[in-house]
Amino acid sequence: QKEVEQDPGPLSVPEGAIVSLNCTYSNSAFQYFMWYRQYSRKGPELLMYTYSSGNKEDGRFTAQVDKSSKYISLFIRDSQPSDSATYLCAMRIGGSYIPTFGRGTSLIVHP
Amino acid sequence: DTGVSQDPRHKITKRGQNVTFRCDPISEHNRLYWYRQTLGQGPEFLTYFQNEAQLEKSRLLSDRFSAERPKGSFSTLEIQRTEQGDSAMYLCASSPPRLQYNEQFFGPGTRLTVL
Repeated sequence: QKEVEQDPGPLSVPEGAIVSLNCTYSNSAFQYFMWYRQYSRKGPELLMYTYSSGNKEDGRFTAQVDKSSKYISLFIRDSQPSDSATYLCAMRIGGSYIPTFGRGTSLIVHP
Repeated sequence: DTGVSQDPRHKITKRGQNVTFRCDPISEHNRLYWYRQTLGQGPEFLTYFQNEAQLEKSRLLSDRFSAERPKGSFSTLEIQRTEQGDSAMYLCASSPPRLQYNEQFFGPGTRLTVL
């Protein structure tokens, strides 16, 4: 079993839908949680960065961490075709600089 | 452009050849990371520098791989005697000198194809 599990999709939604992307993890020592967006043949781009449990909102994006369930989510409101990309979750323990990435979920937002 | 840059963007080589990639981090970032990403997978950590010191290497980094960061600025990743299994996207990232919010900023990657 991998430390970080993420459904590869693809997840296909109509424009304007609310998207929910999720990761589960097994290492209870993870403290920092990140979401990256990666367009085809490009490097990952940091979207959200959270510490510990709770919610964090940035524009149309909301990151949610439930450490008791070892489950993190990224919600995208009013999804746009330009949101079509692969979304990678990543997490790391305190004291380490090295994150562990999920395999990414491919999102397709169709007009 | 003040982001992380990588060169070349694409490299096609024949099995057995040596290749070298370069990464220029964001100027005030003292930490630099190399990752490998294959199709349908997330980035896998290879190695990490703090300034010029190579502090951590993954078991993925076989003895055919070597990385340097002279003077704590740009970094190079060399693969000797390339194999078809080395075909992947090689990503470089850098981060600023603070631990708590150690955001990593990625470059566009170098796509390696070994024939």
